[in-house]
Amino acid sequence: DAKTTQPPSMDCAEGRAANLPCNHSTISGNEYVYWYRQIHSQGPQYIIHGLKNNETNEMASLIITEDRKSSTLILPHATLRDTAVYYCIAETSGSRLTFGEGTQLTVNP
Amino acid sequence: GAVVSQHPSWVICKSGTSVKIECRSLDFQATTMFWYRQFPKQSLMLMATSNEGSKATYEQGVEKDKFLINHASLTLSTLTVTSAHPEDSSFYICSATSLRLAKNIQYFGAGTRLSVL
Repeated sequence: DAKTTQPPSMDCAEGRAANLPCNHSTISGNEYVYWYRQIHSQGPQYIIHGLKNNETNEMASLIITEDRKSSTLILPHATLRDTAVYYCIAETSGSRLTFGEGTQLTVNP
Repeated sequence: GAVVSQHPSWVICKSGTSVKIECRSLDFQATTMFWYRQFPKQSLMLMATSNEGSKATYEQGVEKDKFLINHASLTLSTLTVTSAHPEDSSFYICSATSLRLAKNIQYFGAGTRLSVL
């Protein structure tokens, strides 16, 4: 699995967009980029994943650079309930996730 | 849809006793189930992967005789921590995948906090 690098923490104002970056410069062609989040003392929650194209769902948007060496998760209108640790994972099948340290996103009122 | 239930959510036990944690996929049949462990202020660490009807595959460094995993049906996997000791105190989380649902996505339970006295 490709190693991913994320900032340890970020802050965002409630109602504003939260843009969480992830570097995966060694990602291989068949590795997807997955994003999960973990709210304190709960199990992780799937957010979104993508291979090459940008993806959007009801929770977030995923922007992957053309060279696939980095990506950005966008929460368009962050709420207090979005405060969590966000994990970016590069994996071929999603069946063996290797969680790094993630980014602690704090949404402030 | 795709709900994974984990029970109990919190358990306290005496050192030397065994504890069983259940993980159920409530509205889908899980092709594969996973067990993770998370120590305070640390990330999740995969312990083992199990497929229904077959033996679990343990990650390096995880004692299979201490952490017994049974995956008897497509909706139930259990993790038994045998002869638990204080160093086994941790947050245990299961997840499940199904090839019939969105491919390659893991659905997680809420976790079980184990405290060994």
